[in-house]
Amino acid sequence: GAGVSQSPSNKVTEKGKDVELRCDPISGHTALYWYRQSLGQGLEFLIYFQGNSAPDKSGLPSDRFSAERTGGSVSTLTIQRTQQEDSAVYLCASTPSRKLNTGELFFGEGSRLTVL
Amino acid sequence: AQKVTQAQTEISVVEKEDVTLDCVYETRDTTYYLFWYKQPPSGELVFLIRRNSFDEQNEISGRYSWNFQKSTSSFNFTITASQVVDSAVYFCALSEPSNTGKLIFGQGTTLQVKP
Repeated sequence: GAGVSQSPSNKVTEKGKDVELRCDPISGHTALYWYRQSLGQGLEFLIYFQGNSAPDKSGLPSDRFSAERTGGSVSTLTIQRTQQEDSAVYLCASTPSRKLNTGELFFGEGSRLTVL
Repeated sequence: AQKVTQAQTEISVVEKEDVTLDCVYETRDTTYYLFWYKQPPSGELVFLIRRNSFDEQNEISGRYSWNFQKSTSSFNFTITASQVVDSAVYFCALSEPSNTGKLIFGQGTTLQVKP
């Protein structure tokens, strides 16, 4: 479809392993966001990419978290040495530059991460 | 600091009842935007509405209406004649002061509409 695509939809991993979560934004959307949704915690901002500018990493909870966006399109969120508190739904969103000041973000269905 | 509070964690109503979801925000900015998003069981958040801080007019869209009151820093959302399809998690959000599209979300309110 034409929406934001995230994979995998579900990931179960063991504590200490690394995981990669992928986001394919809507074509032409220059801005891309990662949010984390933990049980009862609402949505927590993680990182923001806009065009060729340096990403805003101010929301990353620790240096075990990193993200990149290749070619201004697909983004990968990497969590190293996963901990049980990393268990959450990781949501990706994108928006075109003309909507940056509208707050209208287009979200994917999320990647549910469970760390055992 | 900016903050959004949705005090109602879960609400359960019977179909056709009206229901109001509360949202209280904190910000020192004079210009800001407020939002409501709906998260159905499929998981993806869907944008419902945006209001800017200079426009306190209430808005109605079908069965949905929004009441923005700067005096009480509230932006409440009412669903009239609720339907089972309204069952979802609803998030209120506040924009960050920079032109980045970054949003500060409340904890969400889970609405269950029973037939």
